[in-house]
Amino acid sequence: EAGVAQSPRYKIIEKRQSVAFWCNPISGHATLYWYQQILGQGPKLLIQFQNNGVVDDSQLPKDRFSAERLKGVDSTLKIQPAKLEDSAVYLCASSRSGVENEQFFGPGTRLTVL
Amino acid sequence: RKEVEQDPGPFNVPEGATVAFNCTYSNSASQSFFWYRQDCRKEPKLLMSVYSSGNEDGRFTAQLNRASQYISLLIRDSKLSDSATYLCVVSGTGRRALTFGSGTRLQVQP
Repeated sequence: EAGVAQSPRYKIIEKRQSVAFWCNPISGHATLYWYQQILGQGPKLLIQFQNNGVVDDSQLPKDRFSAERLKGVDSTLKIQPAKLEDSAVYLCASSRSGVENEQFFGPGTRLTVL
Repeated sequence: RKEVEQDPGPFNVPEGATVAFNCTYSNSASQSFFWYRQDCRKEPKLLMSVYSSGNEDGRFTAQLNRASQYISLLIRDSKLSDSATYLCVVSGTGRRALTFGSGTRLQVQP
């Protein structure tokens, strides 16, 4: 079974630029998550999708972050404009519907904002 | 106060040692508890769930004390390959699925 795929793996941008990350979850997993992990901290949930609907985006900085999962499969997370404090690893995870406690993570995208 | 608190470590132990990690959580309504493992520059992976009755998986034992809102992980006979960051994870009520602690770093030395 293929795991969660993410791209790009690394991205370096300057502040105020825009960036987008892509995630393809494990086949059949209805629930998709985006987490932000700052160095030395645990992952923090940004947004949770159930199929193509948003379940929880309470911690998403909506003035600059947006995410979509239009067809209920892959998803994109965008930051516009980026700030220095957005430097982090952005992890995508997926789980089966009803089994949200067992999440499978992708390798992450390491973002550096200069 | 953080929702999930862990001692960041690092814990430096020799091979074969027994090491214990602790974690406290603030939301008494939390329902499910887990330990995830994260290797350096890798993604987190589920290590084990934590049950009120305690559970064991090989060299790993997890305990939960709901009254004290305290979770522990014990690793016996440490191996070099156990070197990683161990994340305490709590699932509560409401819509947010998992809340992660900041992790405890373990370094097992030869």
